[in-house]
Amino acid sequence: TQLLEQSPQFLSIQEGENLTVYCNSSSVFSSLQWYRQEPGEGPVLLVTVVTGGEVKKLKRLTFQFGDARKDSSLHITAAQPGDTGLYLCAGRTFDAGGTSYGKLTFGQGTILTVHP
Amino acid sequence: GAGVSQSPSNKVTEKGKDVELRCDPISGHTALYWYRQSLGQGLEFLIYFQGNSAPDKSGLPSDRFSAERTGGSVSTLTIQRTQQEDSAVYLCASSLFRDSYEQYFGPGTRLTVT
Repeated sequence: TQLLEQSPQFLSIQEGENLTVYCNSSSVFSSLQWYRQEPGEGPVLLVTVVTGGEVKKLKRLTFQFGDARKDSSLHITAAQPGDTGLYLCAGRTFDAGGTSYGKLTFGQGTILTVHP
Repeated sequence: GAGVSQSPSNKVTEKGKDVELRCDPISGHTALYWYRQSLGQGLEFLIYFQGNSAPDKSGLPSDRFSAERTGGSVSTLTIQRTQQEDSAVYLCASSLFRDSYEQYFGPGTRLTVT
């Protein structure tokens, strides 16, 4: 069973601070995704990282995929109240044939609260 | 519609009753996924459809759970003889192809078993 350990579980910070959320596993993933979920809605995809060592930036958000494709991080610079929400990492694994499809294994999530 | 829709949005049922949850994926999307989100377990995979076939049912927690998809479109998740531990938000997602990275989630059905 592939597991994704996400930390921290809760994060409460002031506007303008920086933060990092981590996602770790002992398993190799073909790709890692980060989602954001608002109350009463489904998760919305933020980014997909595919190549080991890959770094992607989305405005103030920076996503990194570990070299061994077992871990990932999400860094937010100068957090704003609008960043408040549940952040989820999710990995795609390889099937018996060595390919991957959209079945996702999710981390437990990080509830981020940014205070004005 | 433009996105994935699910119905009902909320369902309260008594223990032992059967429930049906519906998912309408984005038109033309061949792959459809069901997930369950609960406080204790996070978001868990239940079943995957490619067209009308379900090549991966590995996440269904017991034989009380079943799902079908018809016409390569609408899917129904059925839970028989509901138990309190079935209480959760059931999410449906669809993607254009089996290996597409973009997976679009519906708003979910919140199931409460009393």
